[in-house]
Amino acid sequence: EAQVTQNPRYLITVTGKKLTVTCSQNMNHEYMSWYRQDPGLGLRQIYYSMNVEVTDKGDVPEGYKVSRKEKRNFPLILESPSPNQTSLYFCASNLLGQGAGTEAFFGQGTRLTVV
Amino acid sequence: KQEVTQIPAALSVPEGENLVLNCSFTDSAIYNLQWFRQDPGKGLTSLLLIQSSQREQTSGRLNASLDKSSGRSTLYIAASQPGDSATYLCAVRPNFGNEKLTFGTGTRLTIIP
Repeated sequence: EAQVTQNPRYLITVTGKKLTVTCSQNMNHEYMSWYRQDPGLGLRQIYYSMNVEVTDKGDVPEGYKVSRKEKRNFPLILESPSPNQTSLYFCASNLLGQGAGTEAFFGQGTRLTVV
Repeated sequence: KQEVTQIPAALSVPEGENLVLNCSFTDSAIYNLQWFRQDPGKGLTSLLLIQSSQREQTSGRLNASLDKSSGRSTLYIAASQPGDSATYLCAVRPNFGNEKLTFGTGTRLTIIP
């Protein structure tokens, strides 16, 4: 089954304690990205990657890091989480280019609370 | 900068009615437009994808249309059911640079039994 898998689904952590949210896709997609969703602000892109070892900032990258060492994996790293990073996070992937089969697939979401 | 607007922000209709959700976007340079459904606190479920060259797509009781030149899309839901209650999001993907999705803020739909 084609899917994007995020872990963990729920996470409560304390300010400053480094954490990683994993994301993996099984569709051989080139493009992967992270979004955060906040009430009233909608979904905003944090980082994206157009292929292995190619990553770039989205709209709200401050406080986050990513890596793309393998095509299927795109972890999100919060080196020193702060309460303003409390949010619902989504990983997404899709094929690049235009045409059939280029829809974006989303993970189940990770609800992060930083206290 | 692409902006996506969804009106209304919330909608309540009796079960069985047909309804239309609206999505408008400011930049017509898009690859495609995708409609999603999101249940409270849950993930995004893709409903329909319309390529920029297409006018509409259908899946069961759902029909989505796209008028790229006017920057508009509609999601038509026929014979609504209580299980259709959710937030519906539209998102557009540009045909250049970072292919990020730009989302609207959604329409929260409630179907009244």
